[in-house]
Amino acid sequence: ETGVTQSPTHLIKTRGQQVTLRCSSQSGHNTVSWYQQALGQGPQFIFQYYREEENGRGNFPPRFSGLQFPNYSSELNVNALELDDSALYLCASSLAGGKMNEQFFGPGTRLTVL
Amino acid sequence: AQSVTQPDIHITVSEGASLELRCNYSYGATPYLFWYVQSPGQGLQLLLKYFSGDTLVQGIKGFEAEFKRSQSSFNLRKPSVHWSDAAEYFCAVGAKEYGNKLVFGAGTILRVKS
Repeated sequence: ETGVTQSPTHLIKTRGQQVTLRCSSQSGHNTVSWYQQALGQGPQFIFQYYREEENGRGNFPPRFSGLQFPNYSSELNVNALELDDSALYLCASSLAGGKMNEQFFGPGTRLTVL
Repeated sequence: AQSVTQPDIHITVSEGASLELRCNYSYGATPYLFWYVQSPGQGLQLLLKYFSGDTLVQGIKGFEAEFKRSQSSFNLRKPSVHWSDAAEYFCAVGAKEYGNKLVFGAGTILRVKS
């Protein structure tokens, strides 16, 4: 069974740029959630995708957007990067209709905005 | 709205000593409760979960947690800590009503001294 994978591992961008982060869900999982973890804080929910549509969103501005593909993999896009976007971005996969909220996390992408 | 409080930012215990990490949550109904562990630079690993039933749940690596509805708590315990347990621990609460997102506490950093 393949776990959740994320790419890239690390990324450095400058303010105003755009970034795309990628996530492959665990085998058999059809739901992907994204979280932002700033330094010294717990993860915060950005949004969730199920059946290629957004299925819940946290308190993040519209410049945070996402996609889910037919193979259940997902992308997180952030436009107009700000310094405060520097964080570890975590992807989690789960099975909708299964044990609710049992989410399995990937290793994360560390984004640094200069 | 849901919220999770982990009152202890840092805890230091001696190897072999017992451990208890505190977690209090705010949620109107019976929540889904989780403990995750994060090693430096890594993603989150699920230690244990509570959905319903027996209020004492067993997890991996010798950890257990007890759900106490009257105290809105879900404290994590281990009878004998090993040096490899040094990491950051996050308590999280989830609920279908909130779009399947997880709400995390700020985390407790565990240091183990030999």
